Amino acid sequence: DSGVTQTPKHLITATGQRVTLRCSPRSGDLSVYWYQQSLDQGLQFLIQYYNGEERAKGNILERFSAQQFPDLHSELNLSSLELGDSALYFCASSVGGGGSGETQYFGPGTRLLVL
Amino acid sequence: GESVGLHLPTLSVQEGDNSIINCAYSNSASDYFIWYKQESGKGPQFIIDIRSNMDKRQGQRVTVLLNKTVKHLSLQIAATQPGDSAVYFCAENFSRGSTLGRLYFGRGTQLTVWP
Repeated sequence: DSGVTQTPKHLITATGQRVTLRCSPRSGDLSVYWYQQSLDQGLQFLIQYYNGEERAKGNILERFSAQQFPDLHSELNLSSLELGDSALYFCASSVGGGGSGETQYFGPGTRLLVL
Repeated sequence: GESVGLHLPTLSVQEGDNSIINCAYSNSASDYFIWYKQESGKGPQFIIDIRSNMDKRQGQRVTVLLNKTVKHLSLQIAATQPGDSAVYFCAENFSRGSTLGRLYFGRGTQLTVWP
């Protein structure tokens, strides 16, 4: 158990809908990262938040947004969902701002299925 | 219909043998490398890491070797056990500006250990 928690574990929804994925980092960690894992793209970095502020942005679609709250938990919002958004979404956390040498610990993921 | 997915390299070993999983990374400026293990239905689990100023690092039953000349990383698992069966990912990080904290993952290798 990494100490990173994610809810829900599974999510089934329809195209055009909006969902929110939630992540709680390990106790004491200030950074939260979101990754998407799909069969054809592998593990792709989406976005990083550090102590409430956006720190780095990756291959995140404009339909997706995220935020980190004062208690350091984070939410990933996915809107106007398409079939291709079906994937595993992982949250990871690290103790600091993500400088080199900082280990990221991953949560169990949320499996999203868009029908 | 037929599903198209990310065809992973596979490695099959007998229980008790040593396993070597290889990874080619992309950026010569990467300064931190991590190996993760992902079991079916779970999130990536940290195994071992290495910084670019080292060429070898040992953990419990695992050793990571880094060859910066050819941008190659390997994970050696000693006395492989059935519980080692999983997908293994290498990840690289280069902490420059907007990419700070972002991990770039390889495609993964499926390790199967048979008795």
